[in-house]
Amino acid sequence: NAGVMQNPRHLVRRRGQEARLRCSPMKGHSHVYWYRQLPEEGLKFMVYLQKENIIDESGMPKERFSAEFPKEGPSILRIQQVVRGDSAAYFCASSGIGLVPEQYFGPGTRLTVT
Amino acid sequence: TQLLEQSPQFLSIQEGENLTVYCNSSSVFSSLQWYRQEPGEGPVLLVTVVTGGEVKKLKRLTFQFGDARKDSSLHITAAQPGDTGLYLCAGPSSNDYKLSFGAGTTVTVRA
Repeated sequence: NAGVMQNPRHLVRRRGQEARLRCSPMKGHSHVYWYRQLPEEGLKFMVYLQKENIIDESGMPKERFSAEFPKEGPSILRIQQVVRGDSAAYFCASSGIGLVPEQYFGPGTRLTVT
Repeated sequence: TQLLEQSPQFLSIQEGENLTVYCNSSSVFSSLQWYRQEPGEGPVLLVTVVTGGEVKKLKRLTFQFGDARKDSSLHITAAQPGDTGLYLCAGPSSNDYKLSFGAGTTVTVRA
C-alpha cells in the first residue's frame, strides 16, 4: 500500500493522558501536513513539516501540542494532558514537490478523550 | 485565511438525477482541489483545477474553475448511490501549502 498511513485509527485517552498519533507519508513524499476535523466543523490546518523541520505550525495550539518529522520514521503529532475538547479526527496528508503540490490524505486517527 | 463557501450544505437526490455543488470565495486561488470523504475515512483527492475557465471531466463528474479563479463547481451526471459522500473543495494559501477547506456538501443519492 503506497498511500498515506496513519495509526492508530482509533485512540481513546482519559483526560490528562498523552496521545501520540503517527503518520507515514506516501512513498516519495517529503512534505507532511496535519489537519484536525472537529465534529460539525471543517478541516483545519495545524502544522506543516519537512524532514527534521517544522515549516509552519501556525494552526497548532501553542500549548500541549507538538509535532515532529524525524529523519527516520513516521511523523508524530503529540498531544499532552489531553482534554475533552481535543476529541476529533486528526488527518495527515503528504505531498511531493511540484508547481501544484497536491496533498493526499491518510484515513485519520479518531481521538476520543473520556 | 482565505475562506471557501460551499453550497448547498446538504443535497439528497434520486439515483439517475444530476446535481451541482458550488464552491465560492472572494479570494483568488492559484488552484482548487476537490475531495470526497466518506464516513470514518480521510478525504480522497478527486481533481485539481489550475487554469481559470478550466473544465475537467472524470467519468460522470465535471469540474469547472471560474475565469477569475475565485469559484468552482462540481457537476455529477446520472448520480449513483456510490456517489454518496461529503464533497469538499480546498485551496492553497498564498504560501501554496496550507489548504483552506470549505465546510463541505453532504450528498446522498437514494437508490
